[in-house]
Amino acid sequence: GAGVSQSPSNKVTEKGKDVELRCDPISGHTALYWYRQSLGQGLEFLIYFQGNSAPDKSGLPSDRFSAERTGGSVSTLTIQRTQQEDSAVYLCASSLGIRDSSDEQYFGPGTRLTVT
Amino acid sequence: SQQGEEDPQALSIQEGENATMNCSYKTSINNLQWYRQNSGRGLVHLILIRSNEREKHSGRLRVTLDTSKKSSSLLITASRAADTASYFCATGQFGNEKLTFGTGTRLTIIP
Repeated sequence: GAGVSQSPSNKVTEKGKDVELRCDPISGHTALYWYRQSLGQGLEFLIYFQGNSAPDKSGLPSDRFSAERTGGSVSTLTIQRTQQEDSAVYLCASSLGIRDSSDEQYFGPGTRLTVT
Repeated sequence: SQQGEEDPQALSIQEGENATMNCSYKTSINNLQWYRQNSGRGLVHLILIRSNEREKHSGRLRVTLDTSKKSSSLLITASRAADTASYFCATGQFGNEKLTFGTGTRLTIIP
């Protein structure tokens, strides 16, 4: 079956503009995660959705960042008034969500965001 | 701060040699996972070891876990050029669905 997909694969935007990044998780996966990876760095957790529970937003770096997950499937990460420091690869992952963090996470190819 | 710290940050070896990467972490964990990343894009899950396990094998991969030292190692035997990638450890805590990733080891296999 299809894996996790993300769009767009690359996004170049001007400072101050808003951007929306999309993630389509694997069908049937109830858990969805967003991470950010700056050049040559590790993954920084942003937000986590599990079923119908309230999302864990503890990793969002500022109130310019928000995310939603509609119908328990597709998720959109929105960055408002983008800044140059927002430039990074944004990775989405999904997992079965049956157990706790023992679940293997399946990653999408990422969206490379460049803010000029 | 990062829960997992990989060591070394970069490693270059000849094809056919074994590669060992280490991961240290700070708090109690439920499990530790290793992922591979090619070309700075999506990560691929390699292996998971639970806190009550000490060693696990999968093909050419061998993972050890020492909870008393809060450390893990990933051994890749008989390395191949295709093993060139970045390798990350990630830890999961009890009652918490998030994984915390380390900073990664960049492995280069020289043909």
